[in-house]
Amino acid sequence: DTAVSQTPKYLVTQMGNDKSIKCEQNLGHDTMYWYKQDSKKFLKIMFSYNNKELIINETVPNRFSPKSPDKAHLNLHINSLELGDSAVYFCASSLRGGSNTGELFFGEGSRLTVL
Amino acid sequence: GENVEQHPSTLSVQEGDSAVIKCTYSDSASNYFPWYKQELGKRPQLIIDIRSNVGEKKDQRIAVTLNKTAKHFSLHITETQPEDSAVYFCAAINTGTASKLTFGTGTRLQVTL
Repeated sequence: DTAVSQTPKYLVTQMGNDKSIKCEQNLGHDTMYWYKQDSKKFLKIMFSYNNKELIINETVPNRFSPKSPDKAHLNLHINSLELGDSAVYFCASSLRGGSNTGELFFGEGSRLTVL
Repeated sequence: GENVEQHPSTLSVQEGDSAVIKCTYSDSASNYFPWYKQELGKRPQLIIDIRSNVGEKKDQRIAVTLNKTAKHFSLHITETQPEDSAVYFCAAINTGTASKLTFGTGTRLQVTL
């Protein structure tokens, strides 16, 4: 059983388009995250939700909009895609906002390529 | 906020040698320090972690040491094998707050035959 799953795994699209990535976790965790990994492999947090509530919102363009319909799902919608948005986007979950355990469980990643 | 620095950015060792990756952190309140391994094209996965009440932790060929006074922690891999080749990330967090896990910039380890 996949613990954290995200779709799609690959996205190739043109500049200016809008795209979404979906994430689901079956671990019963309260907290979910979106991380961006660029070509240099840096892992940067973008957003975090704890039980559907936004708790971390890093300096991210407002073209990026997360949505958490319930604590098992966290989606990422990106408007007006730009070349610099090309990256691998990782969804992750943790037991409870870092408390008790800081362990993150990552999804397999969604590689976004903007042409 | 927390700032984590990681060195070296790349490391090449021969199979059987040891590898050491070092990280420093800025927030003295950080109390949990995990290490993640990311193989090529795969997701980062936790390989070992250490909490601030412990100075050293070992799991087979992998060990982590923590110096709270100096605010640095290190990953040690002994008897390296080709399958150890990957990008390794250190991270730090204060688990008492709802803060984020701050990652280092990663170390690409290459184990050569």
